[in-house]
Amino acid sequence: GAGVSQSPSNKVTEKGKDVELRCDPISGHTALYWYRQSLGQGLEFLIYFQGNSAPDKSGLPSDRFSAERTGGSVSTLTIQRTQQEDSAVYLCASSPESIYGYTFGSGTRLTVV
Amino acid sequence: AQSVSQHNHHVILSEAASLELGCNYSYGGTVNLFWYVQYPGQHLQLLLKYFSGDPLVKGIKGFEAEFIKSKFSFNLRKPSVQWSDTAEYFCAVNGAGQGGKLIFGQGTELSVKP
Repeated sequence: GAGVSQSPSNKVTEKGKDVELRCDPISGHTALYWYRQSLGQGLEFLIYFQGNSAPDKSGLPSDRFSAERTGGSVSTLTIQRTQQEDSAVYLCASSPESIYGYTFGSGTRLTVV
Repeated sequence: AQSVSQHNHHVILSEAASLELGCNYSYGGTVNLFWYVQYPGQHLQLLLKYFSGDPLVKGIKGFEAEFIKSKFSFNLRKPSVQWSDTAEYFCAVNGAGQGGKLIFGQGTELSVKP
């Protein structure tokens, strides 16, 4: 596609529910990244996929967070048993190679009530 | 661990004023450095990047940044700001051996008064 597509754009969920956030990267981009943007906190790295290599999960804040990337394309970030502190904008980015030409999606705004 | 510090949380300027946003990073090895901008209601866009070579990097819309290795700094500058520069600015670092992972600063909100 023309850009990085994320869905849904907004998600309101009840505390304790599971949510899935989707990212559709630019076609042909081998690297895919998830970040979390909280008010006043900047962007926090979550996880990074590069080709067929094992993902770098070092930024996932707890074991309630997981992500997968199917077929080297679409990625899903799953948050289990959501908490209010999970409320944030979740951003996905992709690039043709590591660090070059990062393109960000418009994000999913998650609100946990 | 890598970290990035942006000194100013919110900067307010009048049009035509000069801008300098501070960014310092903590990483002992080779780094690649970036400035991103997020205009109101829009997604993050790359302003400029430094990989190697001339430490003075020019980006889009008249922005530039200077990498000073001895100070671990990568400050963003613009000689004369416009109202349309109102946005949030993020500094980011990628360390050698870190793959594509970017570590971002907390962001600086710039408000330009017409």
